[in-house]
Amino acid sequence: GAGVSQSPRYKVAKRGQDVALRCDPISGHVSLFWYQQALGQGPEFLTYFQNEAQLDKSGLPSDRFFAERPEGSVSTLKIQRTQQEDSAVYLCASSLMGAEWHFGNGTRLTVT
Amino acid sequence: KQEVTQIPAALSVPEGENLVLNCSFTDSAIYNLQWFRQDPGKGLTSLLLIQSSQREQTSGRLNASLDKSSGRSTLYIAASQPGDSATYLCAVREGNAGNMLTFGGGTRLMVKP
Repeated sequence: GAGVSQSPRYKVAKRGQDVALRCDPISGHVSLFWYQQALGQGPEFLTYFQNEAQLDKSGLPSDRFFAERPEGSVSTLKIQRTQQEDSAVYLCASSLMGAEWHFGNGTRLTVT
Repeated sequence: KQEVTQIPAALSVPEGENLVLNCSFTDSAIYNLQWFRQDPGKGLTSLLLIQSSQREQTSGRLNASLDKSSGRSTLYIAASQPGDSATYLCAVREGNAGNMLTFGGGTRLMVKP
């Protein structure tokens, strides 16, 4: 596709449910990031992949958060046993070699 | 830990004004700095990328400057238009932190017709 695609655009989960958020990066982009953006705040780093390797997961807020990119293209961010504080927009970005970053429109997660 | 601050948090100006958005960062050992625009419900669109060795970049009515030693960057918007209304975010990529971008909290700009 022409840009980074994220699905679903909106997700409402009841507290305690598991959710999976998908990111389709620009074809050929080696680097992929996940960010969490709370309302009115700047994005906060969650995790980084280079191809299929997860090189940095220091931003994941708890062990309920898990990300994977098994074939070095599509990535999935999974949140287990969702809590209200997980409500945010989750942004995915990809880059060819770490120069300019291309962001998707994000998934807005609301935990009720 | 790198911290990025943007001032002001919100700004409302009449159409046609020139304006300056400010960004400061605590660790000057950066690889580059990028300014993004974010429209409501949308992702981020890259506006300008300044490498650490550069002092400024220009694109149309936008000019971004970088003073690495003092930890500051400014985004200058000339002759503002209502279509410029959005949130503007600056982000730094640190030389020693892989490819991670650290973002400021953003400046919400409203340009009134």
